[in-house]
Amino acid sequence: EIVLTQSPGTLSLSPGERATLSCRASQSVSSSSLTWYQQKPGQAPRLLIYGASSRATGIPDRFSGSGSGTDFTLTISRLEPEDFAVYYCQQSGSSPWTFGQGTKVEIK
Amino acid sequence: QVQLQESGPGLVKPSETLSLTCTVSGGSISSYYWSWIRQPPGKGLERIGYIYYSGSTNYNPSLKSRVTISVDTSKNQFSLRLTSVTAADTAVYYCAREFDPGIAYYWGQGTLVTVSS
Repeated sequence: EIVLTQSPGTLSLSPGERATLSCRASQSVSSSSLTWYQQKPGQAPRLLIYGASSRATGIPDRFSGSGSGTDFTLTISRLEPEDFAVYYCQQSGSSPWTFGQGTKVEIK
Repeated sequence: QVQLQESGPGLVKPSETLSLTCTVSGGSISSYYWSWIRQPPGKGLERIGYIYYSGSTNYNPSLKSRVTISVDTSKNQFSLRLTSVTAADTAVYYCAREFDPGIAYYWGQGTLVTVSS
């Protein structure tokens, strides 16, 4: 099973700042199989990025994804108030499909 | 706009079977992949499995012996059965439509299922 480790566990930032979230895989993951989701309290997750770097429909361009192999990054260029949430990476290249444990982006 | 809605009992006794249904509106179920994903309270997400509208399935190996996902195209619904539940199966259960396998695009609001006597 591929284990995804997200860091940091919590990121405390102010609106307008840049957020850099890391997702590291225990073995190589195809870029086409790496997905990022955003989840706010009491809500279902929302698809942000698929294929490591493609934004889902309606996702603002301040969200970007990058990486390959075992290291992937989600960047939020300038945090808006609505971006404070938990972010999960997920791989679907190897069964079982697995999620990282999440990174919480909180208001500093 | 595609919408998904989970339904089923919110409380299940240990050793019994958890059964949930996801009703799809705003689009036909006769295409795409359809998934179940769960999230224990305060914890992360876990994929349970998915079904293609034709009926082919794929399950998380850790749950495979207890899980069945089925589809009813006439009702635009798909369902989850999880047998021999324990407290560890207490979670919010989400149904979702995959953009491609592994990429859950449309999600239901989720339903909390508690396993307790």
